[in-house]
Amino acid sequence: EDQVTQSPEALRLQEGESSSLNCSYTVSGLRGLFWYRQDPGKGPEFLFTLYSAGEEKEKERLKATLTKKESFLHITAPKPEDSATYLCADQAGTALIFGKGTTLSVSS
Amino acid sequence: SQTIHQWPATLVQPVGSPLSLECTVEGTSNPNLYWYRQAAGRGLQLLFYSVGIGQISSEVPQNLSASRPQDRQFILSSKKLLLSDSGFYLCARKLGPGELFFGEGSRLTVL
Repeated sequence: EDQVTQSPEALRLQEGESSSLNCSYTVSGLRGLFWYRQDPGKGPEFLFTLYSAGEEKEKERLKATLTKKESFLHITAPKPEDSATYLCADQAGTALIFGKGTTLSVSS
Repeated sequence: SQTIHQWPATLVQPVGSPLSLECTVEGTSNPNLYWYRQAAGRGLQLLFYSVGIGQISSEVPQNLSASRPQDRQFILSSKKLLLSDSGFYLCARKLGPGELFFGEGSRLTVL
């Protein structure tokens, strides 16, 4: 069964304390790995697409990387406004299979 | 600009009652539309998708149904709600491979 597993489930950081979120996938024939950000009570917002191992994408304090079996979302010097749930997803047929997400809390 | 309207934003319904959630998309024609559900402790689950008027594909068996009566309108319905139907329902349109634009969602509590 196709699966996407994210870890940790929750992460608390101090402002400026860098860290990484993990996304492991088991979908055969990967057709892309996608990262989203979701604020409480809102719909997810698209961040990045990664297609091949070694690929990297950056946006402000976020950098997403991809290997053959997992993806990382690196957060450098986070700020309180980076607090959100980060979801990863991969493509399986017509559907996006989402992980349960990592809830990030950044305190000042 | 892209806008997806979902309503109602919040509703509380008794078990066994009917349901109708509406999604209207602005700023595009013939969009691919999706209904996702996010339940407590679970990831986003794809319920239905539609590539055009009257064309609905179901991803999971359930007591829910979907309809697309107009190009920019997508409706999620149920004749009799179950407790397990509680969750956050999100309508989305496809912008590109793996890229979805989501609406603000409808939060359903079934009591």
